[in-house]
Amino acid sequence: DQQVKQNSPSLSVQEGRISILNCDYTNSMFDYFLWYKKYPAEGPTFLISISSIKDKNEDGRFTVFLNKSAKHLSLHIVPSQPGDSAVYFCAASEGSNYKLTFGKGTLLTVNP
Amino acid sequence: DGGITQSPKYLFRKEGQNVTLSCEQNLNHDAMYWYRQDPGQGLRLIYYSQIVNDFQKGDIAEGYSVSREKKESFPLTVTSAQKNPTAFYLCASSIQGADEQYFGPGTRLTVT
Repeated sequence: DQQVKQNSPSLSVQEGRISILNCDYTNSMFDYFLWYKKYPAEGPTFLISISSIKDKNEDGRFTVFLNKSAKHLSLHIVPSQPGDSAVYFCAASEGSNYKLTFGKGTLLTVNP
Repeated sequence: DGGITQSPKYLFRKEGQNVTLSCEQNLNHDAMYWYRQDPGQGLRLIYYSQIVNDFQKGDIAEGYSVSREKKESFPLTVTSAQKNPTAFYLCASSIQGADEQYFGPGTRLTVT
């Protein structure tokens, strides 16, 4: 049973446009959500996170939105740059549990 | 220069042999984790350790073993009992109580 779902395996956008990556979760006990970026053959890099007490968190070009009633979060990247091309993983954690549950990832390609 | 190191980057073994993957961190993090990633899949948790001399099974611990004798080190042994050992293995660490995990560069293990 996949508790964190990224239903779009891939997304392609033009440089300068907005990229929107989506993530859904089923476990209502999740209270902290993270986005990681991963290049091939490298470890994931932490990008941005959001607590369940918030509905938005912004860091430069990256904004994460959380809709708890829909159990949905999204990562917005604007403007998108070719260097943003990577796999993006959504992850979630529950309370003081140390475990992160990851989605399967979305491959973002930003075309020049 | 703080970080997580994993060695080697690529590892080849014959079926039936045990193999140990190294993970070292100098971030002074209490918690450490092992994940594996398969093509088209998210990261799945193998084992994690919140403190020295203590560790817990993750979601896919069968066929793996770990030790945590030092804070800086969390080696993973892939035993011959692991049915599908070929994968990309990622080590991570975090401050105790924090959700953000920081990842090493990974080791790609190929067993033939």
